[in-house]
Amino acid sequence: AQTVTQSQPEMSVQEAETVTLSCTYDTSESDYYLFWYKQPPSRQMILVIRQEAYKQQNATENRFSVNFQKAAKSFSLKISDSQLGDAAMYFCAMGNAGNMLTFGGGTRLMVKP
Amino acid sequence: NAGVMQNPRHLVRRRGQEARLRCSPMKGHSHVYWYRQLPEEGLKFMVYLQKENIIDESGMPKERFSAEFPKEGPSILRIQQVVRGDSAAYFCASSPNSGDSSYEQYFGPGTRLTVT
Repeated sequence: AQTVTQSQPEMSVQEAETVTLSCTYDTSESDYYLFWYKQPPSRQMILVIRQEAYKQQNATENRFSVNFQKAAKSFSLKISDSQLGDAAMYFCAMGNAGNMLTFGGGTRLMVKP
Repeated sequence: NAGVMQNPRHLVRRRGQEARLRCSPMKGHSHVYWYRQLPEEGLKFMVYLQKENIIDESGMPKERFSAEFPKEGPSILRIQQVVRGDSAAYFCASSPNSGDSSYEQYFGPGTRLTVT
């Protein structure tokens, strides 16, 4: 069975500062993907960034980057230059080819002006 | 290219009624997944379908819940004799047929079911 754990129910960050959201996972699979999804108050699930497990290089998407530590089964999300629009629930998720995603419990990010 | 579409966006049912939730995947996608999100929780997998086939229903409650993805038309998640505990947001996601991008799932806006 796969599990995904987000140990921070809530985080806050000052506008323009940097924040890191934590995620750990467990799986017996060797081939998998990891994702961070953003869920604003509209409840739409928006893909922020994804990481292939076989790639050593950490994925980046503009202000969003990950720190993928495969041996430690850790997959944290760093948001740089935080903006008010970044305020949302963030979910870490793991998936295999053609299979379901397993989600963590989420971290609520608040951005202070 | 339209995204994943779900309707209705909001559905209110009385206890004992049936709820029918629809999902139209993105054009060219033949894999559909249903997830349920209870308040203040993450999404939980329910069922994975391809056209006319249920591939994995390990997350579906054994009773009252069913899903289909017919050859023509949207995927349907059906909940019979709803109870208050069924109140949740139900999300549909779709993914392409094959290749590297099949790992990525695109989500619809969800249907919020309220059982009164």
